[in-house]
Order: sequence, then C-alpha cells, then structure tokens
Amino acid sequence: GAVVSQHPSRVICKSGTSVKIECRSLDFQATTMFWYRQFPKQSLMLMATSNEGSKATYEQGVEKDKFLINHASLTLSTLTVTSAHPEDSSFYICSANTGGFYGYTFGSGTRLTVV
Amino acid sequence: GQNIDQPTEMTATEGAIVQINCTYQTSGFNGLFWYQQHAGEAPTFLSYNVLDGLEEKGRFSSFLSRSKGYSYLLLKELQMKDSASYLCAVRSAGGGKLIFGQGTELSVKP
Repeated sequence: GAVVSQHPSRVICKSGTSVKIECRSLDFQATTMFWYRQFPKQSLMLMATSNEGSKATYEQGVEKDKFLINHASLTLSTLTVTSAHPEDSSFYICSANTGGFYGYTFGSGTRLTVV
Repeated sequence: GQNIDQPTEMTATEGAIVQINCTYQTSGFNGLFWYQQHAGEAPTFLSYNVLDGLEEKGRFSSFLSRSKGYSYLLLKELQMKDSASYLCAVRSAGGGKLIFGQGTELSVKP
C-alpha cells in the first residue's frame, strides 16, 4: 500500500533556529500533501495544503512566513519551522491524498521540541 | 464554517460495546472518516462513510446520517488494546482536505 516516510521522528532545537521536516511518498506520486500539528491531548489541526509545483494554501491563522512549505516534486514535501519558539513545540504530521478508497496516508509524525 | 463535535473522553469495560458519536456542520461534505490514534503515533484508518447507513468491518462499525450531520463509531467486544484516541474527520468537497474533530479518548478497563 501507499507509504509516506516522514523524517525526522524527533528533533530538539534551540530557540531562534530553523527546523526542516520532510515527507516522502515512497511508492506513489503525491500531488497533494496536507500538514497538521497536534498539541498533547488535542486533535490534528490542519495547517496547510501543498500542491506540487505551486504555492501552499494556508489555513486561517497559520503564519506562512513562519511555516514554509515546499512541494517541489511529486514525491517530496517539506515543512520548515523558521525562528522556532518554545510554543512551536508540537507533533507535526503530514498526510498525502492517495486518491484511492481510503483516501489518505499519514506520515509517522515528527515530535519537535524547542528549548 | 467548520464544526466537528465529539465527546472528549469515554470509559468502557473490556468485552463491552461502546458507541462514539460525532456531529458535524461543514461548508461542504465529501465523506466522513474514523481514525484510531495512539499517543505519539500516526492515525490509523478505521472506516469511511459517504452514503447514509451502516458500514461494518469486523468489531468496528460506523454509521452516517447526512441529513442530521451525525455519525457514530461502534466498537464491539472491547479489548484493552482498543484504549486510544478516536478521531472523526470530514472531507471537504473540492479541495479534499480532512478536517478533524477534537478526538475522543477511550479508556478500556478490565
């Protein structure tokens, strides 16, 4: 079945630095990728939708200059958290629209801790 | 706007049956998904409804009423490993993005 590989699984960074999270579709072409963040004991909040070769569409309240999304190829989408602050500490997870009956495949998630 | 509502927590006994409800008000509708999620892991697909009625898959069943904006997930013969968060998600028309409810934390006790 469709697999999305997400890296890194865990990352700790200092305040003010940038962190890049990658999601790769391993055996299919992901024309659309969704990026979510999840705080402890809360649900997945959609941050943005990225389409290959075009600018991402951000949800209301999400800072596009802080959360840079690049979807340069059909198999790779990246999320860069710029000038990270402790409040950016969260679980970030990507999801690709596979178009099939089940619709979506999720990455394994990235636990970001900003110290 | 989008509003998807689920109970925050539920507790049930091993071997019993539990029903987790989800109500939704969305600007578009193109199917409803149920996922199971353990802490720190990716959600796992459980079921999908796009037409009214009941979909059954082993110990899990899901029901949808589009006119009422209502769905439920039914878990039978509960096992301890079913303790997890259960997420209801609605797919929007057009863009295909999934909007999640806040999730229901289910605790299964002996």
